[in-house]
Amino acid sequence: DVKVTQSSRYLVKRTGEKVFLECVQDMDHENMFWYRQDPGLGLRLIYFSYDVKMKEKGDIPEGYSVSREKKERFSLILESASTNQTSMYLCASVQSRGNQPQHFGDGTRLSIL
Amino acid sequence: AQKVTQAQTEISVVEKEDVTLDCVYETRDTTYYLFWYKQPPSGELVFLIRRNSFDEQNEISGRYSWNFQKSTSSFNFTITASQVVDSAVYFCASGTYKYIFGTGTRLKVLA
Repeated sequence: DVKVTQSSRYLVKRTGEKVFLECVQDMDHENMFWYRQDPGLGLRLIYFSYDVKMKEKGDIPEGYSVSREKKERFSLILESASTNQTSMYLCASVQSRGNQPQHFGDGTRLSIL
Repeated sequence: AQKVTQAQTEISVVEKEDVTLDCVYETRDTTYYLFWYKQPPSGELVFLIRRNSFDEQNEISGRYSWNFQKSTSSFNFTITASQVVDSAVYFCASGTYKYIFGTGTRLKVLA
């Protein structure tokens, strides 16, 4: 079974801090994704990566950056956290372009105070 | 425009009732895939089903069934004889490797 592991289930940070959310997958998937989930808005794509060191902006990239130095790891970075970034963050991975389903981590509930 | 609409925000049913969750999609792609995911209270998204755009055959899996109709751009999901454990948020999605998600339908099954 595919395992997508997010480093924290719950995280509390302060406004202005630099925040790192880590995601690791164990199935050699090429594509990895970061979403945020907010009530009434569903899942919105922040960034995705289709290969090491490759990334593309999703629908809401403002205030975020990403890093993919190794195939199995995809990091989401909040350069200067703000209260409107309080949300549930979900990481996903999938093998390649095609019809396979994305596999999701358990999510990180991030609170910015 | 690429869009997935789940018009039902929340549905409450009594255990053993049947319930249908609606999903309508818009896409520019000629080949695409449709997905349903379940998100229980614990938070993880669990993959339920995938359909190809060129395969309109409906599918039944235990108490779950899916009705894909290209003519109406709909991919509806029915739970027969609902159970309390079915209580969750259900998301419909469309795409290939990159998805557009609907806003989700919260299903509450009452004992």
